[in-house]
Amino acid sequence: QTVETQEPSFSVSPGGTVTLTCGLTSGSVSAAFSPSWYQQTPGQAPRTLIYNTNTRSSGVPDRFSGSILGHKAALTITGAQAGDESDYYCLLCVDTGIWVFGGGTKLTVL
Amino acid sequence: EVQLLQSGGTLVPPGGSLRLSCATSGFAFANYAMYWVRQAPGEGLEWVSAISGSGGRTFYADSLEGRFTISRDNSKNTVYLQMNSLRADDTAVYYCAKDPRLANWGFSSYFDSWGQGTLVTVSS
Repeated sequence: QTVETQEPSFSVSPGGTVTLTCGLTSGSVSAAFSPSWYQQTPGQAPRTLIYNTNTRSSGVPDRFSGSILGHKAALTITGAQAGDESDYYCLLCVDTGIWVFGGGTKLTVL
Repeated sequence: EVQLLQSGGTLVPPGGSLRLSCATSGFAFANYAMYWVRQAPGEGLEWVSAISGSGGRTFYADSLEGRFTISRDNSKNTVYLQMNSLRADDTAVYYCAKDPRLANWGFSSYFDSWGQGTLVTVSS
């Protein structure tokens, strides 16, 4: 069974840069899995940030960027703001008809 | 503007059944795959099911063990999730989501629009 791994929590200072990652317990994440990233604040539906590894959804500021770093997908936030404090989830399409979310990372800005 | 309006969540006893609805507007519904995603209290997101624009292809998470059925009525621009033999661990907020790609049979790798979510609580 494919299991995605994300850092459970992360902290960044206002104005700082943070990189969240998304890996697999077995194997590497590549662009072929078309990683996407979602932001969710408590009580709200997820918001799509990044798709196809590094394409920003409409309206997403360029402070958010996606990439592949080594064997993981990565979401980098530069110039972190208080409003970026959220849960972040990656999603991989690991095979036809199989989508898998990571466990999520709780990002604190302080 | 794309809108996904969900309904149907409620309290249901273990072993019971429930049907969730997701009524859509603002796009050519029949040409887009749709999805269900759930989130248990305090937990992360879990993909549940997918259905192609035509309704002819469906996929389910293994964890459901065949208890859920996704369907759609393209004349009503609505996607459904029929949930049977409900268990306590099915308690979650259920979200519907839209595929970004115009296709009758295909699926993309991600979801571009989300419903507001509806809470299903399985408890006696």
